[in-house]
Amino acid sequence: ILNVEQSPQSLHVQEGDSTNFTCSFPSSNFYALHWYRWETAKSPEALFVMTLNGDEKKKGRISATLNTKEGYSYLYIKGSQPEDSATYLCASTHYNNNDMRFGAGTRLTVKP
Amino acid sequence: DAGVIQSPRHEVTEMGQEVTLRCKPISGHDYLFWYRQTMMRGLELLIYFNNNVPIDDSGMPEDRFSAKMPNASFSTLKIQPSEPRDSAVYFCASSLAAGGGIGYTFGSGTRLTVV
Repeated sequence: ILNVEQSPQSLHVQEGDSTNFTCSFPSSNFYALHWYRWETAKSPEALFVMTLNGDEKKKGRISATLNTKEGYSYLYIKGSQPEDSATYLCASTHYNNNDMRFGAGTRLTVKP
Repeated sequence: DAGVIQSPRHEVTEMGQEVTLRCKPISGHDYLFWYRQTMMRGLELLIYFNNNVPIDDSGMPEDRFSAKMPNASFSTLKIQPSEPRDSAVYFCASSLAAGGGIGYTFGSGTRLTVV
């Protein structure tokens, strides 16, 4: 079983603050890293897929980076808004298996 | 496409009863995954299928759990007999490929409560 770990477990910020959180994953046989946004009572929604070391992806105020050599990815949210409140999940896939394993997520709460 | 469709959305059952969760994947997706989400363990992979064939069921917690995919458009996850510790949200997801560079599409989940 792969160990995908996310930190922090939960995060409370004020509206307008910028924030970031971490996903660490096994670097051996790495293929891809996925970020999902998961709002309460909804299903996870795909944000980014990254495969190459140094990849950076951006979607509006949310961006992500990838370091495959050391096995981590950062997710950044610039100018957090209350609607950004959700659990952010990361998952990695590897050449030696065919499924995606998830971290436990970071629960973000943005206070107005 | 209507996306991945799961039913029921909510299920409340008594301990010892049989529970069947259903999933209809996106047409053309060759992979189907069953996940369980709990506060303690996050999102856990239970089992996945490729072209209707179970590939990895190592995440299935015990023999009370079974999953089938009789055809490309339907899968079931059955718990018999159910126990209170089975209470969780069960998600089904489908994909064109397993992992890799292609993300999964999740259904809305079934919230199971066993009392």
